[in-house]
Amino acid sequence: EPEVTQTPSHQVTQMGQEVILRCVPISNHLYFYWYRQILGQKVEFLVSFYNNEISEKSEIFDDQFSVERPDGSNFTLKIRSTKLEDSAMYFCASRRGSNQPQHFGDGTRLSIL
Amino acid sequence: DQQVKQNSPSLSVQEGRISILNCDYTNSMFDYFLWYKKYPAEGPTFLISISSIKDKNEDGRFTVFLNKSAKHLSLHIVPSQPGDSAVYFCAASANGGGSNYKLTFGKGTLLTVNP
Repeated sequence: EPEVTQTPSHQVTQMGQEVILRCVPISNHLYFYWYRQILGQKVEFLVSFYNNEISEKSEIFDDQFSVERPDGSNFTLKIRSTKLEDSAMYFCASRRGSNQPQHFGDGTRLSIL
Repeated sequence: DQQVKQNSPSLSVQEGRISILNCDYTNSMFDYFLWYKKYPAEGPTFLISISSIKDKNEDGRFTVFLNKSAKHLSLHIVPSQPGDSAVYFCAASANGGGSNYKLTFGKGTLLTVNP
């Protein structure tokens, strides 16, 4: 069964450094998402992406964050200058179409030192 | 943000019995509801969904019930198996008016099925 894949599974970065989290969504899916889960808290929406542009972003998704779909398969989340509070699990998800469920990858654990 | 609430942090049931997981929501714009299962070190796995035009959806051992007037949904697992032991998340989205289907999650309920 096709699945969403995320790399790396764990990323350790110094505060202030840039980090890029990578995702390969399911191939025939059209809608892409990033979520994050800080330890002990809910999974929370960051950004949605459709037709090569951001369709919605949360208040968390400030100027330090960006997303890109550089080719037909990858979907990336970049954090320009990481902060301690960016430490979390980051999940990528994709969806095929209307009233279709989102399918999630296994996440990247981001640890900021 | 308490738009989706799962008030039971944990639930323990015997193998073969029914597991009932509950979820309440406050946003009346939500019209699509999903249940996800999550094992440690894995991402949420989609289980079953229901649109607000229905009150029940069934898929094998899993049934989701939606009570719109009470803003309540539940997931029934019958019969429960030890492999069902995981954290179960309720999620909702407001899909009308061209929304992008972003999901709002509950905090999750840890289900333990004892052999």
